Amino acid sequence: EAGVAQSPRYKIIEKRQSVAFWCNPISGHATLYWYQQILGQGPKLLIQFQNNGVVDDSQLPKDRFSAERLKGVDSTLKIQPAKLEDSAVYLCASSSYLAYEQYFGPGTRLTVT
Amino acid sequence: GNSVTQMEGPVTLSEEAFLTINCTYTATGYPSLFWYVQYPGEGLQLLLKATKADDKGSNKGFEATYRKETTSFHLEKGSVQVSDSAVYFCALLRTGAGKSTFGDGTTLTVKP
Repeated sequence: EAGVAQSPRYKIIEKRQSVAFWCNPISGHATLYWYQQILGQGPKLLIQFQNNGVVDDSQLPKDRFSAERLKGVDSTLKIQPAKLEDSAVYLCASSSYLAYEQYFGPGTRLTVT
Repeated sequence: GNSVTQMEGPVTLSEEAFLTINCTYTATGYPSLFWYVQYPGEGLQLLLKATKADDKGSNKGFEATYRKETTSFHLEKGSVQVSDSAVYFCALLRTGAGKSTFGDGTTLTVKP
């Protein structure tokens, strides 16, 4: 069974630029999560999808971050414009149901200069 | 709101020593509890889980028991190996709502 795929693995941009991350969850997993992990901290949930609907986006900075999962499969997270404090690893995870364990992708390391 | 508090690291042990990493939580309802591990250069992997009070999760010699009375889920291993060196994250998932909360992680280094 293929795992959660993410791309790109690394990205360096200047502040005020935009960036997009892509995630393809494990086949058949209805729930998809995006996390932000700042160095030295645990993952912080940004947004959670159940199929193509949003379950929780209470910690998503909506003035600059957006995410979509149009067909209920893969998902894109966008930042526009980026700030220095957005430097972090962005993790995507999926699970077969809301309450089940999550499987994580390798993450995208974003550096904003 | 929900929160997870882990013992601060880093933790350095000699091979074959006993390991305890403390984790306490605050949550509404009846969450499921997890330990994830992140080896150097790799993504997070599920280590073990417990879905209700008094459940014991175990895997690869690691154990943790869901203690509702003390709101704790401490990770233990009787004899650590150098290969156990990693960052360990305690997490909770509020059943039915899907809201997940992670601790800040504890770095474990095991020396030969």
